[in-house]
Amino acid sequence: AQTVTQSQPEMSVQEAETVTLSCTYDTSESDYYLFWYKQPPSRQMILVIRQEAYKQQNATENRFSVNFQKAAKSFSLKISDSQLGDAAMYFCAYRIIQGAQKLVFGQGTRLTINP
Amino acid sequence: GAGVSQSPRYKVAKRGQDVALRCDPISGHVSLFWYQQALGQGPEFLTYFQNEAQLDKSGLPSDRFFAERPEGSVSTLKIQRTQQEDSAVYLCASSSGTAGQSYEQYFGPGTRLTVT
Repeated sequence: AQTVTQSQPEMSVQEAETVTLSCTYDTSESDYYLFWYKQPPSRQMILVIRQEAYKQQNATENRFSVNFQKAAKSFSLKISDSQLGDAAMYFCAYRIIQGAQKLVFGQGTRLTINP
Repeated sequence: GAGVSQSPRYKVAKRGQDVALRCDPISGHVSLFWYQQALGQGPEFLTYFQNEAQLDKSGLPSDRFFAERPEGSVSTLKIQRTQQEDSAVYLCASSSGTAGQSYEQYFGPGTRLTVT
């Protein structure tokens, strides 16, 4: 069974600084997607960034980038120039490409931004 | 509306009552998902529909949980004889793609169910 582990229940960072959130996963599949979702206190889950496992290049979206290490089954999220609006729960998630459509989520990391 | 909507946003039920939670996906989205999110946890998959067909219900925790999407748009998650352990936020998500496609799941705001 696929599992996703986020070992940091809480993280905090000063505004304008950089923070990295960790995620590891376990799978026997070779093709899959990895995601980072943001869930602000209003609870609407929003996709932050997506990585296809067959792509070696790390995905980037503006201030958000990932460090994808396929052999180590590691998928960390780096947030640069942190802003107050980045404060939220962040969930790492996994999905296989073929077959089951469900997302498998980690336990989440609560990110606090200190002004 | 432009996004996924869910109703009610909050529901308080007495133990043993039946509840029905509604999800209105984004118009035209083929795939619809239900997830259960316990307090302080990540969402856990319950069930998946492609149009009106329920293709995966492996996450439903018991036979008290039932979901339907009869016309391939609106979906209802029904919980019979609610128990305290059913207290959670129930999230609905929809997407335009199906198996093998790279697509985004768009989430609704959730229904917070409290069983007393």
